[in-house]
Amino acid sequence: EAQVTQNPRYLITVTGKKLTVTCSQNMNHEYMSWYRQDPGLGLRQIYYSMNVEVTDKGDVPEGYKVSRKEKRNFPLILESPSPNQTSLYFCASSFASGIGGNEQFFGPGTRLTVL
Amino acid sequence: QQQVKQSPQSLIVQKGGISIINCAYENTAFDYFPWYQQFPGKGPALLIAIRPDVSEKKEGRFTISFNKSAKQFSLHIMDSQPGDSATYFCAANRGATNKLIFGTGTLLAVQP
Repeated sequence: EAQVTQNPRYLITVTGKKLTVTCSQNMNHEYMSWYRQDPGLGLRQIYYSMNVEVTDKGDVPEGYKVSRKEKRNFPLILESPSPNQTSLYFCASSFASGIGGNEQFFGPGTRLTVL
Repeated sequence: QQQVKQSPQSLIVQKGGISIINCAYENTAFDYFPWYQQFPGKGPALLIAIRPDVSEKKEGRFTISFNKSAKQFSLHIMDSQPGDSATYFCAANRGATNKLIFGTGTLLAVQP
């Protein structure tokens, strides 16, 4: 089954304790992206990757890191989480044809609480 | 110029009625306008999308109306059903990038 998987689905942590949220897709997509979803703000892009070893900042990158060592994986790293990073996080992937307008497939989400 | 404004924030419709959600954008470089549907506990999923060379696209009970001159587009759900109850996001994308700019979402409740 074609899908985007994220782990963990739920995470409660404390301020300053480094954490990683994994994302993996099995559709051979070049493009991967991380979003955070907050009430009243919709989905905002954190980081994206056009292909292996190519990453760039989205609209709200502060406090986050990413890496893209393999095409299928795109982990999100919070080196020193703070309470304002409490949110619902989504990973997404799509083909990157350069034309635009490609359907993005979203993972099931990771609900993070930072105390 | 990067914003997509969506309204209303929430919407209650009776079963069988028409649900209408509106979005507006500023950036004329946007050339792809998808709508995503999100059920509780799930990730968003593409519902329907339109490009600005057409004024309307219909897929089953879902229709996008697009007004290029007004820089507005809307989602119409005909014969709304309780199973349509979800959060709907409009989005816009600029050609040659995959970057989606999302609206703030509309929580739709269809009452039986």
